[in-house]
Amino acid sequence: ILNVEQSPQSLHVQEGDSTNFTCSFPSSNFYALHWYRWETAKSPEALFVMTLNGDEKKKGRISATLNTKEGYSYLYIKGSQPEDSATYLCAGNNAGNMLTFGGGTRLMVKP
Amino acid sequence: EPEVTQTPSHQVTQMGQEVILRCVPISNHLYFYWYRQILGQKVEFLVSFYNNEISEKSEIFDDQFSVERPDGSNFTLKIRSTKLEDSAMYFCASSAKQGRTDTQYFGPGTRLTVL
Repeated sequence: ILNVEQSPQSLHVQEGDSTNFTCSFPSSNFYALHWYRWETAKSPEALFVMTLNGDEKKKGRISATLNTKEGYSYLYIKGSQPEDSATYLCAGNNAGNMLTFGGGTRLMVKP
Repeated sequence: EPEVTQTPSHQVTQMGQEVILRCVPISNHLYFYWYRQILGQKVEFLVSFYNNEISEKSEIFDDQFSVERPDGSNFTLKIRSTKLEDSAMYFCASSAKQGRTDTQYFGPGTRLTVL
């Protein structure tokens, strides 16, 4: 069973600040890491899927990196905006398609 | 942009009653999933479904749960006799392929409240 953890649980930043948060997972028996952005009352939105050590992906002001050897992924948001306020979820899968989720990081960006 | 839809958005039921949660996956997707999130806990996998069969299920998915694709567009989760601890947000997801790197697209969820 994959154990996925995220930190911090919540984060308050000012508009314009850059921020990052962490997803950690066991480095053995790992296959892929997924990031989602989830706003309340909406569908979780897929951001990235990463598999290779050293993978780096970018979507606008949001980027993510993956270190499979040490078992972590970072999500970065450059120049946070109020519309970035959401819960950011990471999920890993090893065997099969079952996603194992972390507890999420709740980001609040103050204007 | 195609999206996964779920109905109802909120369902309230009495303990012991049967509920059916409905999902319409993205139209050309072949793999379907149910997850749930109990308030304050992590999102948990329940079941995956392909070609009219369950392909994986978790320990949570016991005999009280069943899934069905009744008509080629809907994908349903039935809970036969609800318990208080079934209260949760239930998410449906679909993916085009079965690869572990394929993105699972989620619906907005159905909040189930068991009284």
